[in-house]
Amino acid sequence: AQSVTQPDIHITVSEGASLELRCNYSYGATPYLFWYVQSPGQGLQLLLKYFSGDTLVQGIKGFEAEFKRSQSSFNLRKPSVHWSDAAEYFCAVGGTSGTYKYIFGTGTRLKVLA
Amino acid sequence: DAMVIQNPRYQVTQFGKPVTLSCSQTLNHNVMYWYQQKSSQAPKLLFHYYDKDFNNEADTPDNFQSRRPNTSFCFLDIRSPGLGDAAMYLCATSSRLVNEQFFGPGTRLTVL
Repeated sequence: AQSVTQPDIHITVSEGASLELRCNYSYGATPYLFWYVQSPGQGLQLLLKYFSGDTLVQGIKGFEAEFKRSQSSFNLRKPSVHWSDAAEYFCAVGGTSGTYKYIFGTGTRLKVLA
Repeated sequence: DAMVIQNPRYQVTQFGKPVTLSCSQTLNHNVMYWYQQKSSQAPKLLFHYYDKDFNNEADTPDNFQSRRPNTSFCFLDIRSPGLGDAAMYLCATSSRLVNEQFFGPGTRLTVL
């Protein structure tokens, strides 16, 4: 079955510390991979995406993610977290052709300590 | 800037009183989606349109309907809102060529 797992429901880090949010997926074919961020009461904003090519992708706001096919993972990283990064983060998997739906992970809520 | 717009941002309705939420896009995308998102949960797809072709998710209640009169606009109609329908409703779009979804800011629905 197709699924996306974000093992960490909540993560708390201190401002300035590094961050890694985990995402594992189960998908029959090579998927498109996405990370979205959602601030309270807002819509989803795309941080970065992986379609093909270089497995390390750079996104907005200083985020990056690495696609590891052997581990079926697409973990999100940031070297130094800012207080404004506190939000909900969703990993999503999409089909590469003919299918238009996403499979979302359950989300990771990030709290940043001053 | 090309974007996805949702109106209103906040909607209050009474139990059982029909309500319509609106989504418009300037991206000229073929595919439009409606999601329901409850607190601390991932968005849940209700239905999507590929051009004028309507695709309903199997578990979407009959209480939810949608209309897409043209490429730019899509509406979500809730015929008889219940307390359990209080949620954030997100509209998204994507092109038929690339499955990357662009989300609107959402409409927060309150049911009294």
